[in-house]
Amino acid sequence: DAGITQSPRYKITETGRQVTLMCHQTWSHSYMFWYRQDLGHGLRLIYYSAAADITDKGEVPDGYVVSRSKTENFPLTLESATRSQTSVYFCASSRPGQGEGTQYFGPGTRLLVL
Amino acid sequence: AQKVTQAQTEISVVEKEDVTLDCVYETRDTTYYLFWYKQPPSGELVFLIRRNSFDEQNEISGRYSWNFQKSTSSFNFTITASQVVDSAVYFCALSERYRDDKIIFGKGTRLHILP
Repeated sequence: DAGITQSPRYKITETGRQVTLMCHQTWSHSYMFWYRQDLGHGLRLIYYSAAADITDKGEVPDGYVVSRSKTENFPLTLESATRSQTSVYFCASSRPGQGEGTQYFGPGTRLLVL
Repeated sequence: AQKVTQAQTEISVVEKEDVTLDCVYETRDTTYYLFWYKQPPSGELVFLIRRNSFDEQNEISGRYSWNFQKSTSSFNFTITASQVVDSAVYFCALSERYRDDKIIFGKGTRLHILP
């Protein structure tokens, strides 16, 4: 049981380039989430998705784009990377539980924007 | 508004000591859920526990225990007889009903267990 995976695990890119971070889960969870983790800010929600083709903004969505064409995949795209987007990105998923759904996290992607 | 406060930024204790991590939350909902997650040095986020607002019973799992008190809006986490492997960042989190399973995380407490 693979659970939830992220790729790549590490990425170095340059300012202005487009970068896509992949997230895949095998549980058929309806909900998926993207967070970024930065020192001093903890975990901040970027985007989330309640189901395929349904996405919504979180706390810090600017500069990011998401899509959800299949339940199991939830890619996050940085259309034009900036240095401020250097961070660790976590994907998570949960079953819908009216707020009680426990989120399970992927291993994270460390992104460095030069 | 929902908010989770972990006032202890960093704690260091000697191995085998007991340690309590504090968590205070704010919510206007009567139905909500509280979580603890562990982030070891390897970086992954590991789910530890979920409690709902209607269940104030304390929970014990091995050396870990959780104390939920609605009267003080607290959900504290105690590690008994700490071990070096307990060194990690611990996050307390809150989720409210009908909020699309969104979780609000505290800033985390970094716990150092010294050998």
